[in-house]
Amino acid sequence: DGGITQSPKYLFRKEGQNVTLSCEQNLNHDAMYWYRQDPGQGLRLIYYSQIVNDFQKGDIAEGYSVSREKKESFPLTVTSAQKNPTAFYLCASSMREPNTEAFFGQGTRLTVV
Amino acid sequence: DAKTTQPNSMESNEEEPVHLPCNHSTISGTDYIHWYRQLPSQGPEYVIHGLTSNVNNRMASLAIAEDRKSSTLILHRATLRDAAVYYCILRDRYGNKLVFGAGTILRVKS
Repeated sequence: DGGITQSPKYLFRKEGQNVTLSCEQNLNHDAMYWYRQDPGQGLRLIYYSQIVNDFQKGDIAEGYSVSREKKESFPLTVTSAQKNPTAFYLCASSMREPNTEAFFGQGTRLTVV
Repeated sequence: DAKTTQPNSMESNEEEPVHLPCNHSTISGTDYIHWYRQLPSQGPEYVIHGLTSNVNNRMASLAIAEDRKSSTLILHRATLRDAAVYYCILRDRYGNKLVFGAGTILRVKS
């Protein structure tokens, strides 16, 4: 079945460690996005990519890094520079046309202890 | 980026219609209006989108003001499963940023 998959669903890491969240899609979508969501808050855009080997910073990119080496994959690394990394992370993908819908993964809940 | 404004929360009775408003006074002529909803601990799901004309699908209806500065998502008969956060966003043909606001928390009473 076509869709977008995030893994793992839950992730625990020690403070100061880098951690990479996986996002894979088989929808042949050009655009992919990463969002952060804190309890009771909306989605905040971290990074987005409209095409392979290209990506742009969103509103809260500090402390995060991404790569887009393949169309299907857009991994997000939460670095030790991110001061408060505990959050719910959501990945999405879409066609680039504005009259098309975006599809979201089920999210990864990251807890840093 | 054109921004949207939504009420923080709304409440509805089960089986009654719900009208969720969204203001987007700085919308440009080529921006599409999209609605998504998010159930607890899940990723958002697409609901509906439109450009100028009103739109209907199996989930909801979208009413767009003539000047396009506001829109309303209409759930014709709210059920308990419709309790979610509803996001109104604008999607332009340039940046493709897909920026979400805080959304409207919809509570449905039985």
